[in-house]
Amino acid sequence: DSGVTQTPKHLITATGQRVTLRCSPRSGDLSVYWYQQSLDQGLQFLIQYYNGEERAKGNILERFSAQQFPDLHSELNLSSLELGDSALYFCASSVDNLSYEQYFGPGTRLTVT
Amino acid sequence: SQELEQSPQSLIVQEGKNLTINCTSSKTLYGLYWYKQKYGEGLIFLMMLQKGGEEKSHEKITAKLDEKKQQSSLHITASQPSHAGIYLCGAPTDKLIFGTGTRLQVFP
Repeated sequence: DSGVTQTPKHLITATGQRVTLRCSPRSGDLSVYWYQQSLDQGLQFLIQYYNGEERAKGNILERFSAQQFPDLHSELNLSSLELGDSALYFCASSVDNLSYEQYFGPGTRLTVT
Repeated sequence: SQELEQSPQSLIVQEGKNLTINCTSSKTLYGLYWYKQKYGEGLIFLMMLQKGGEEKSHEKITAKLDEKKQQSSLHITASQPSHAGIYLCGAPTDKLIFGTGTRLQVFP
């Protein structure tokens, strides 16, 4: 158990809908990272937050947004969902904004039908 | 942009056999991370290599970093079914990028 929690574990929704994925980092970690893993793209970095502020952006679509709250949990919002958004979404945390030693949550499997 | 290629893509070995997974970078490596992922689950941090020539071990898994070759290798000795999963290497750039992954199956 990495100490990072994600909810929900599975999500099935229709195209055009909007969903919110939630992540709680390990106790004491200030950085939260979001990743998307699909069969054709592999593991792709989406976005990083550090202590409530956006720190780095990767291949995140404009339809996706994220935030980190004062209690350090984070949410990833996916809107206008398309079939191609079906993937595993992982959250990871690290102690600070410079550490690449990241601890991953169990992931949320999103299926868009 | 930097890319990490892993080889082999897939590996099936008999329990007790040794195996090696390679991770080759298209650019200079300033560190290398190894993760293991069980199918459909999150990644588990295995080890971090920070300097050329560095070698680290975790139980029966040993990883080395060869900066000159821009490559890291992960070696498993006397493989067990518990070693099965997907092994991913990661390299720090302005973010952490991941390799293509190596799927390992170990049969009794």
